[in-house]
Amino acid sequence: SQWGEENLQALSIQEGEDVTMNCSYKTYTTVVQWYRQKSGKGPAQLILIRSNEREKRSGRLRATLDTSSQSSSLSITGTLATDTAVYFCATDASSGSWQLIFGSGTQLTVMP
Amino acid sequence: DTTVKQNPRYKLARVGKPVNLICSQTMNHDTMYWYQKKPNQAPKLLLFYYDKILNREADTFEKFQSSRPNNSFCSLYIGSAGLEYSAMYLCASSRGQGASAETLYFGSGTRLTVL
Repeated sequence: SQWGEENLQALSIQEGEDVTMNCSYKTYTTVVQWYRQKSGKGPAQLILIRSNEREKRSGRLRATLDTSSQSSSLSITGTLATDTAVYFCATDASSGSWQLIFGSGTQLTVMP
Repeated sequence: DTTVKQNPRYKLARVGKPVNLICSQTMNHDTMYWYQKKPNQAPKLLLFYYDKILNREADTFEKFQSSRPNNSFCSLYIGSAGLEYSAMYLCASSRGQGASAETLYFGSGTRLTVL
């Protein structure tokens, strides 16, 4: 497997709190993407961060990538109840096809 | 319009029977993908079409077929459904090849239940 952790993680926080979700991967990658999947919908991309970038921001979101430790994080500041979703990190894998391989995700529940 | 549409939303199938799932996109994307998602697991890439070329993952090679009659449509075909095929099937598209550098646009999925 490409991923360090295989089981779905679960986080439950109060609205307004900040949260950070982490992913670790096992092999070389050129890019990490973060997706969010809300109930009843397909995943939607939040951020794409390349191996030559250490940090990328988009609104309340901040993604980091540390290629030396093969890890990435996604932080959300000032969470809202509408941020409740499953958050996936995804990267290309050395499977020969260089397509997106997803981690098992973090179930984030933001309570109003 | 960044819409990927999947039909049907829910599908029931009997063990041993064939299943055909449909996906369409209007973005003129070159690549279309099918992922399988089971509860509490990562979406698993099954196969993808780049233009007219089908690429199937090694561990699902014999279980799934697909066709892409034109740029907009892509189907996923299961010849003989087993209980283990019960899952959400997600279709996605991207502008180019090599999804690692591309944004994938997903449909809302088809939930397949095999009885």
